[in-house]
Amino acid sequence: QSVLTQTPSASGTPGQRVTISCSGSISHIRSNIVNWYQQLPGTAPKLLIYSNNQRPSGVPDRFSGSKSGTSASLAISGLQSEDEADYYCAAWDDSLNAWVFGGGTRLTVL
Amino acid sequence: EVQVSESGGGLVQPGGSLRLSCAASGFTFTNYAMTWVRQAPGKGLEWVSSITGSGDDTYYADSVKGRFLISRENSKNTLYLQMNSLRAEDTAVYYCAKESHEGLWFGDSWFDPWGQGTLVTISS
Repeated sequence: QSVLTQTPSASGTPGQRVTISCSGSISHIRSNIVNWYQQLPGTAPKLLIYSNNQRPSGVPDRFSGSKSGTSASLAISGLQSEDEADYYCAAWDDSLNAWVFGGGTRLTVL
Repeated sequence: EVQVSESGGGLVQPGGSLRLSCAASGFTFTNYAMTWVRQAPGKGLEWVSSITGSGDDTYYADSVKGRFLISRENSKNTLYLQMNSLRAEDTAVYYCAKESHEGLWFGDSWFDPWGQGTLVTISS
């Protein structure tokens, strides 16, 4: 059971916009930044969004992040086949003194 | 180029020990906290342990507390994870990752980059 809650799966067709949610509590999401990681099949995770809504260099602007209260979201617009991956949210939990992850969302591009 | 690379994984019997290493390059190692994250086969990501840049402060997941020890050798740009009393449920790919700063507080940090991972299998 993950501390952060993500919908296990999501899907969309090429060109569509999809949103992946991540919900938590005051001790992590509300108090600290949320980061998103993308894990393509068979590869290591990669930083996708940091500090709620910042994109590292090289990440297309089709990817965007937001946070409100105890929830965060990752939006992918103009969906492409290469976006098919697992997506994880993460935040530091001040109460646990630990990093917490969401259970991951598997995105399928139909 | 900023890089981290793990080594040391393998097959170990339950109750055994193993030490993982993570070699870092392309950045001033002592200025950054480091973290271990693992992923059991077919499962999601699970944080294991973090250490500040100086090595003075360490943090552990409850699932490994008292069995695993994180450390670093800043003179060698290397991070370690000593794993003792290993259990079947410790079977996973173990990733090391660089935090975004020294680690005085992790609430505004993130992991980048990640290594390619090293597989640890606990089985008799």
